[in-house]
Amino acid sequence: GAVVSQHPSWVICKSGTSVKIECRSLDFQATTMFWYRQFPKQSLMLMATSNEGSKATYEQGVEKDKFLINHASLTLSTLTVTSAHPEDSSFYICSAKGQGHLETQYFGPGTRLLVL
Amino acid sequence: AQTVTQSQPEMSVQEAETVTLSCTYDTSENNYYLFWYKQPPSRQMILVIRQEAYKQQNATENRFSVNFQKAAKSFSLKISDSQLGDTAMYFCACDNTNAGKSTFGDGTTLTVKP
Repeated sequence: GAVVSQHPSWVICKSGTSVKIECRSLDFQATTMFWYRQFPKQSLMLMATSNEGSKATYEQGVEKDKFLINHASLTLSTLTVTSAHPEDSSFYICSAKGQGHLETQYFGPGTRLLVL
Repeated sequence: AQTVTQSQPEMSVQEAETVTLSCTYDTSENNYYLFWYKQPPSRQMILVIRQEAYKQQNATENRFSVNFQKAAKSFSLKISDSQLGDTAMYFCACDNTNAGKSTFGDGTTLTVKP
């Protein structure tokens, strides 16, 4: 199956700092990558969709300047949480789709962010 | 707008027995895909099974099978011979090629009891 990695798996930071999360497709080219936020025992909340080489499309209510997304190559997307605050503490998950995978999303293992 | 509804927030089943998780969806598209994903306590989302809407035959993956009723917009998941490792939250999702993104249900937490 297709493998997606995500780094770091855990991050603790101070309020006001920025945090970058990387998402990589290891064995396929990801034409589209997605970033989700998930609260405990809840469903995935889509934050944004990114296609390689173009600007990300953000879902309604998601602050573009707060959550910066870069999809620089067909295997790498990054999410930067700028000036993080305690309310940004959450579980962030990325996923990737590639050609020939029948619209299937393959998910990274997630990143737990705690902002103190 | 596309919607996915999972009406069972929690379910439990005895080990080795069979359980069925329900999912209904609504989409105006003709070309779409349906998925079941599993999220165990590790929180890693894992693809369980996939169904192309244009295929009438129900998808099967080992102990997992679906009952895809296109006219009723129903997509239930049957887990046979349940194992302790099946304990997880299960999400149903619908993806149409025009939208390019999936809509997820609220999830069903399944507990397999020894």
